[in-house]
Amino acid sequence: GAGVSQSPSNKVTEKGKDVELRCDPISGHTALYWYRQSLGQGLEFLIYFQGNSAPDKSGLPSDRFSAERTGGSVSTLTIQRTQQEDSAVYLCASSLDGTSLYEQYFGPGTRLTVT
Amino acid sequence: AQSVTQPDIHITVSEGASLELRCNYSYGATPYLFWYVQSPGQGLQLLLKYFSGDTLVQGIKGFEAEFKRSQSSFNLRKPSVHWSDAAEYFCAVGGKDAGNMLTFGGGTRLMVKP
Repeated sequence: GAGVSQSPSNKVTEKGKDVELRCDPISGHTALYWYRQSLGQGLEFLIYFQGNSAPDKSGLPSDRFSAERTGGSVSTLTIQRTQQEDSAVYLCASSLDGTSLYEQYFGPGTRLTVT
Repeated sequence: AQSVTQPDIHITVSEGASLELRCNYSYGATPYLFWYVQSPGQGLQLLLKYFSGDTLVQGIKGFEAEFKRSQSSFNLRKPSVHWSDAAEYFCAVGGKDAGNMLTFGGGTRLMVKP
């Protein structure tokens, strides 16, 4: 079946602009995660959605970052007033259930470059 | 808070040679441990995972890892490396007490010499 898909694959934006990154999880997966992969920082957890529960936003680096998940499926990560330090690969993952017992399947990522 | 250390940033091995990638974790309870591989331009693919039971776990592509609680380690091994194994490898820890996020190590980039 189809895996996790993300769009766009690459995004170049000017400093100060807002960007939206999209994630389509695997059908039937109730848990969805966003991670950021940047040079020198490795992979960092950003936010987690489980079903209709309130998301775990504990990893968001600032209030410029937000995410929503509509209808328990597609998720959008929004970065407002982008800064150069936001340049990174943003990875989305989904799992069957939101426990560590279930494998997280990762998408190919969106490479964001802020100029 | 949990953490993962992968001491080797880069490793180069010859094709056909054996491989061991090191992973040390810090976690206050029973850890769930994972190894992921990331090829250039690709997402992360799970190689293997440990939840409980046999401390030697087998994964895909001929990889295995051994959980050693006394050493807080979960090293990844392969007896004979293939050129296609060149990639970046990430160790991660999660668990019931970790909420629902994985904490990743910094990664080890593997290069394979012909």
